[in-house]
Amino acid sequence: QQQVKQSPQSLIVQKGGISIINCAYENTAFDYFPWYQQFPGKGPALLIAIRPDVSEKKEGRFTISFNKSAKQFSLHIMDSQPGDSATYFCAAFQGAQKLVFGQGTRLTINP
Amino acid sequence: EAGVAQSPRYKIIEKRQSVAFWCNPISGHATLYWYQQILGQGPKLLIQFQNNGVVDDSQLPKDRFSAERLKGVDSTLKIQPAKLEDSAVYLCASSLVSTAVNTEAFFGQGTRLTVV
Repeated sequence: QQQVKQSPQSLIVQKGGISIINCAYENTAFDYFPWYQQFPGKGPALLIAIRPDVSEKKEGRFTISFNKSAKQFSLHIMDSQPGDSATYFCAAFQGAQKLVFGQGTRLTINP
Repeated sequence: EAGVAQSPRYKIIEKRQSVAFWCNPISGHATLYWYQQILGQGPKLLIQFQNNGVVDDSQLPKDRFSAERLKGVDSTLKIQPAKLEDSAVYLCASSLVSTAVNTEAFFGQGTRLTVV
């Protein structure tokens, strides 16, 4: 049962461009939405997170946009750099810290 | 601050053999998670501990998988007997407990298991 659906599976962006990854959920009990970044051979690391009472959160080049009514949220990476090449996972917390992940997006930034 | 430690990093076993993974969470973190990450997929929660008690093991294949966290610190995950489809990276994560604020889960580097 996939509770968080993520797209696209893979994404190629030119250096300096904007990378956009989308996620959708069904369970309205989710109350915290983190994004994780994972490099090959490493565990996921928290990148940025948002709560459903906020429509947007920005940290440096990374922005989460949240649409509560549509049950969708997205990650925007501005001025994408080759060092941003990684796999990105959206996730959602449900109740007592049960963390559910999306399928992941492999992002490649071409120099 | 030391991160989540996992061992071994890699393990290759034959099907029907048994294997065990070890995790040492960040000091003071009461919540510990074991995730299974199959190649090309997102991590799937296998089991979640709060101190030494199980909070959620609904997706743990209990006929072959077991996990324990006896003293509320280190944890081991065991597979017996292993199947080919168990080939995956097994991630351990830990987090502080908070009833009011969702807190960050910190992940270890994982153990890559190959069953042949």
